[in-house]
Amino acid sequence: ETGVTQTPRHLVMGMTNKKSLKCEQHLGHNAMYWYKQSAKKPLELMFVYSLEERVENNSVPSRFSPECPNSSHLFLHLHTLQPEDSALYLCASSQDLSGEQFFGPGTRLTVL
Amino acid sequence: AQSVTQLDSHVSVSEGTPVLLRCNYSSSYSPSLFWYVQHPNKGLQLLLKYTSAATLVKGINGFEAEFKKSETSFHLTKPSAHMSDAAEYFCVVSWGSYIPTFGRGTSLIVHP
Repeated sequence: ETGVTQTPRHLVMGMTNKKSLKCEQHLGHNAMYWYKQSAKKPLELMFVYSLEERVENNSVPSRFSPECPNSSHLFLHLHTLQPEDSALYLCASSQDLSGEQFFGPGTRLTVL
Repeated sequence: AQSVTQLDSHVSVSEGTPVLLRCNYSSSYSPSLFWYVQHPNKGLQLLLKYTSAATLVKGINGFEAEFKKSETSFHLTKPSAHMSDAAEYFCVVSWGSYIPTFGRGTSLIVHP
């Protein structure tokens, strides 16, 4: 399998649940990203990892917790989310921080 | 510092007519510039990129963009729109080791 994959593709969860989103890249890239895309809003950069070190954290609530165990995998752990957190969560990777990004298909999250 | 402005939130064209999606950027030095396309409920896909080579860049699906330093613009064009071009388009700027900055997006609507 090539490119950037994300699982699950769809997720419905209650506000008290704990779940995780997974992203995997098979491109040998050094940087990985989480974005949030809500309806009618610009794309929001949430977290950036370069060589498995977090380099950007744009004031994201602590109910979102990223994890990058190696350069190929990125997780977003979710707990006690709010309905306004419902959105499309996109993962991307790039060879380096300023380069072209390759995106996964996204996880459509609905918080009830 | 770098920033990018997509001048239109929506552009509506008829099938077979030209497409123009406008993008202006601000960057202290020579930037790298990208256009991405996003079809509904999908991830973003790279259309084309400028990285200080030829100023007229050809991309996939018949799109092209011209880097104009004097106007700090990188407008996306296509001679003849197709129904399948209906999507969201993002202009992106990056420089050096800065993480790319995304524009707010332009929604392209194609009428039959």
